[in-house]
Amino acid sequence: AQSVAQPEDQVNVAEGNPLTVKCTYSVSGNPYLFWYVQYPNRGLQFLLKYITGDNLVKGSYGFEAEFNKSQTSFHLKKPSALVSDSALYFCAVRDSDTGRRALTFGSGTRLQVQP
Amino acid sequence: DTGVSQDPRHKITKRGQNVTFRCDPISEHNRLYWYRQTLGQGPEFLTYFQNEAQLEKSRLLSDRFSAERPKGSFSTLEIQRTEQGDSAMYLCASSLVRQLNTEAFFGQGTRLTVV
Repeated sequence: AQSVAQPEDQVNVAEGNPLTVKCTYSVSGNPYLFWYVQYPNRGLQFLLKYITGDNLVKGSYGFEAEFNKSQTSFHLKKPSALVSDSALYFCAVRDSDTGRRALTFGSGTRLQVQP
Repeated sequence: DTGVSQDPRHKITKRGQNVTFRCDPISEHNRLYWYRQTLGQGPEFLTYFQNEAQLEKSRLLSDRFSAERPKGSFSTLEIQRTEQGDSAMYLCASSLVRQLNTEAFFGQGTRLTVV
C-alpha cells in the first residue's frame, strides 16, 4: 500500500521569508513523488516531481523539493514566499514497482503568506 | 484552451437521480484518470484509462459508478441513483504514455451537490 502524510493543515509565513511544506510517504517499492497546488475554484496544477536522480528537484514558480530516502520525506520549499503563493498544496506518491498508475494524495496543506 | 476540459462545472441533483459528467483530455494524451475530492481532503483515485481500455478501478468505484472512454478521446463518468455521500468534486486528469512517468494534468473539476 502507498500513503502520504502532510502533518500540517496550515502553514503561515511572512512574505519574503523562506517556506517549507512537509510531506512524508510510505511505499513498498521506489517512490515517484509529486507536488501539486490548488487555487480556489481551480484544478490542481503540477509543480514538480521526483522520479530518479538528483535529490533536489526544481519546479515551477521558484519552488523546489528535496527527496530524502532515509527519512521518507519530500518537503516542498521556496527561498522567498510571495503573497500569491497562498494556496492549497498537495503531495502525492506512486509506487514505481507495482505497475499501478494511481496517485495517492495527502490531505493537503494550506499555505498562507502574509504581506 | 488546450488544457483538460470538464463539463459541467457544477451540478445539483436530487437524491436518486442519475448524473453524467464529461471530460475532454489534452489532445494526444492517451491516459485519462478520474479522481474524487471531498472538502478538506486530497483527491482520491477512482479509475484510469489507457486509450479506450479501463485498466484500473478503485474500490471507491461502486456498482453505481461507471466510466467509459469509447473512442480513446473524451470520457464520461456516470453515477446512478445518487446519494448525498456522492457530493464531491470530480476531477479528471490526463497524461501522455509515451513519456515515462509523465505527470498528470488536471481539469477544473465538476462539483456535484446531491440534495
